[in-house]
Amino acid sequence: EAQVTQNPRYLITVTGKKLTVTCSQNMNHEYMSWYRQDPGLGLRQIYYSMNVEVTDKGDVPEGYKVSRKEKRNFPLILESPSPNQTSLYFCASSLSRDSTDTQYFGPGTRLTVL
Amino acid sequence: KQEVTQIPAALSVPEGENLVLNCSFTDSAIYNLQWFRQDPGKGLTSLLLIQSSQREQTSGRLNASLDKSSGRSTLYIAASQPGDSATYLCAVRGGGFKTIFGAGTRLFVKA
Repeated sequence: EAQVTQNPRYLITVTGKKLTVTCSQNMNHEYMSWYRQDPGLGLRQIYYSMNVEVTDKGDVPEGYKVSRKEKRNFPLILESPSPNQTSLYFCASSLSRDSTDTQYFGPGTRLTVL
Repeated sequence: KQEVTQIPAALSVPEGENLVLNCSFTDSAIYNLQWFRQDPGKGLTSLLLIQSSQREQTSGRLNASLDKSSGRSTLYIAASQPGDSATYLCAVRGGGFKTIFGAGTRLFVKA
């Protein structure tokens, strides 16, 4: 089944403890992206990647890192999480740069930073 | 900087009613516009994608239009059903492949 998977789905952690949220897609998509969703603010893009080793900042990249060493994986790294990073995180992918390509979303990761 | 606004923020309608959700954007230099549905506590499901060169797309009871010059898109839902209750999001993708979402319209269809 074609899908975007994220792990973990739920995570409670403490301030300053490094964590990684994994994202993987099995559709051979070139484009991958991370978003956070907060009440009243909608989804905001954190980082995106147009191919292996090519990443760029979205609207809210502060406090996050990403890497794209393999086409299928796009992990989101929080080196020193803070309470304002408590949010619902979504990973998405699309086939290519083509304007016809739909973005497919993972199920989300709910992160709480105490 | 691209800004995307969705009006209304919430909408409650009786079953069977036709309805229109609105999405406006400030920069007309877009690559495409996509409408999504989000159920509570769930991920996003793509409904329709309109390329910048297109005027509308249809899927079943859904019709989305795009007017780049005025910076507007509408999602028309015909003969609404209780199962249509969800939050509807529009997302604008720019040439740099940044994607900007609106805050969404929360729809409740009463049986």
